[in-house]
Amino acid sequence: AQRVTQPEKLLSVFKGAPVELKCNYSYSGSPELFWYVQYSRQRLQLLLRHISRESIKGFTADLNKGETSFHLKKPFAQEEDSAMYYCALGVSGAGSYQLTFGKGTKLSVIP
Amino acid sequence: DAMVIQNPRYQVTQFGKPVTLSCSQTLNHNVMYWYQQKSSQAPKLLFHYYDKDFNNEADTPDNFQSRRPNTSFCFLDIRSPGLGDAAMYLCATSSFWGRLSPLHFGNGTRLTVT
Repeated sequence: AQRVTQPEKLLSVFKGAPVELKCNYSYSGSPELFWYVQYSRQRLQLLLRHISRESIKGFTADLNKGETSFHLKKPFAQEEDSAMYYCALGVSGAGSYQLTFGKGTKLSVIP
Repeated sequence: DAMVIQNPRYQVTQFGKPVTLSCSQTLNHNVMYWYQQKSSQAPKLLFHYYDKDFNNEADTPDNFQSRRPNTSFCFLDIRSPGLGDAAMYLCATSSFWGRLSPLHFGNGTRLTVT
């Protein structure tokens, strides 16, 4: 069975400091990985996906199959980055597709 | 704006009293999902609809049912809520079944069971 692990429940960094939110996954097949974000009082929304290799709001994430990781990084944290971040693994099966979430990491950026 | 709307935002029900949560979407998406999220835990998929085809997760309790009368609406029925069913319930949609289609979430309904 697939699993997503986000080892940090809470991460506090100072404004301007680099940020790395860790995500490890367990899946024997070819993974599809996402980062979702939930700002205070807002809905959960897609931040980025590994296939796009994009940078959104200064965040990037690289899939490392050797280490089974998909860490989210940003070189300089901003106060508006404070939010709950969820890593998610998409798995296609026989006639089904399942998105498994990690427990989330709360990022707090200190002014 | 096209979106996913969940009503109500907060729902209080009594132990054992049936309750229905609703979700509507203006995105015209094929797939609708219901997730349960308990405090400090990951959102957990309960079931989903691909058009009218219902797909139940193996570990979803029988106490939870769902209806999708049309493309726009989907309901979550909890037949006999227990204290352990208190959680945030998230509705989400996606445009097609399968890979890399992002999920669009509603704001959620927080269910309290007294």
